[in-house]
Amino acid sequence: GQNIDQPTEMTATEGAIVQINCTYQTSGFNGLFWYQQHAGEAPTFLSYNVLDGLEEKGRFSSFLSRSKGYSYLLLKELQMKDSASYLCAVRIDYKLSFGAGTTVTVRA
Amino acid sequence: DTEVTQTPKHLVMGMTNKKSLKCEQHMGHRAMYWYKQKAKKPPELMFVYSYEKLSINESVPSRFSPECPNSSLLNLHLHALQPEDSALYLCASSQDKGQASYEQYFGPGTRLTVT
Repeated sequence: GQNIDQPTEMTATEGAIVQINCTYQTSGFNGLFWYQQHAGEAPTFLSYNVLDGLEEKGRFSSFLSRSKGYSYLLLKELQMKDSASYLCAVRIDYKLSFGAGTTVTVRA
Repeated sequence: DTEVTQTPKHLVMGMTNKKSLKCEQHMGHRAMYWYKQKAKKPPELMFVYSYEKLSINESVPSRFSPECPNSSLLNLHLHALQPEDSALYLCASSQDKGQASYEQYFGPGTRLTVT
């Protein structure tokens, strides 16, 4: 099976920065995705990394190191609406294998 | 239009019932997916359709039967389900299943309860 690990929960204050780590040991690798999922809603796409390095998209950035099997999602200037579950997913051939998700709670 | 729609939003069914879940997208995507998500767990892939043909079945029990009538529609037919099949069923689509960078767009899901 595929092994994709991320912390279960994180809490941060509005306006702060939070970094969600994801480590993976998988039988293949065709890229890593980050999705955001609010309770009771569909996952929505945040970022995609296939090469090592940092991808920046507004307040969200994602980093990948393939040699270390490691990625992180950086959320800056946290807002209350960022409270959600964040899913790390590794693409292997045609399939996405998801981590268990990290629930981020933003406090005022 | 970057929306994937699913109906119904909620479904309660008995173990002897037959019901269907529906999914629709109008983005011209040629790959469509069914996932099952239990509470506080990640989505688990069930089926993949590519160009209206079933290309992946993740050893899903036969009481779940997918169908792709055309490139915009995906159904999941349910029969003789068990209480442990209660979950959120998510549909997703992408431009193509083969291109690694193509993100999957998810629908809001159908919350299924089997009694």
